[in-house]
Amino acid sequence: DTAVSQTPKYLVTQMGNDKSIKCEQNLGHDTMYWYKQDSKKFLKIMFSYNNKELIINETVPNRFSPKSPDKAHLNLHINSLELGDSAVYFCASSQDPGRYSSYNEQFFGPGTRLTVL
Amino acid sequence: GQSLEQPSEVTAVEGAIVQINCTYQTSGFYGLSWYQQHDGGAPTFLSYNGLDGLEETGRFSSFLSRSDSYGYLLLQELQMKDSASYFCALKGNRDDKIIFGKGTRLHILP
Repeated sequence: DTAVSQTPKYLVTQMGNDKSIKCEQNLGHDTMYWYKQDSKKFLKIMFSYNNKELIINETVPNRFSPKSPDKAHLNLHINSLELGDSAVYFCASSQDPGRYSSYNEQFFGPGTRLTVL
Repeated sequence: GQSLEQPSEVTAVEGAIVQINCTYQTSGFYGLSWYQQHDGGAPTFLSYNGLDGLEETGRFSSFLSRSDSYGYLLLQELQMKDSASYFCALKGNRDDKIIFGKGTRLHILP
């Protein structure tokens, strides 16, 4: 059984287009994340949702909009795609890290490689 | 702010032992995690240190010294399949963010 799944795995699109990436986890976790990994392998958090509520919103262009219809799903919509958006986007989930929790093993999805032409 | 430093690359020989160091700066601290990522793959969790000392999981061990803001990942009996990038990650206690280091690429020679 796939724990954290993302679709699509690859996404090639033209500059200016709008695209979405979907993520689902079947682990029963309360918290989900979106990360961006650039060509230098730097893994940077973008957003975090806890039980459908946005709890982390890093300095990300407002062209990026996450949406969590329920705690098992966290989708990422990107408007007006730019060349610099090309990267691998990882969805992840963890079991209720909470604000005061110390243990936070994150389970990552397989990633979506986005290429903007 | 929060930051982590780790070497960009380390090379070791199959069967040997290698240590990947990580130093961090943060105003609040909950723990240090380690993740492994193979080329084209997703990061996978290896270990977590919330307290000072050594945590052992099979061939992998991780160490933390909170007073020195320092940790390391120790890989023993290296196998070719251990060739991957290794990330240290910290969770501060001011928010729920996990901050990842820039990763250490481990090359293993036969």
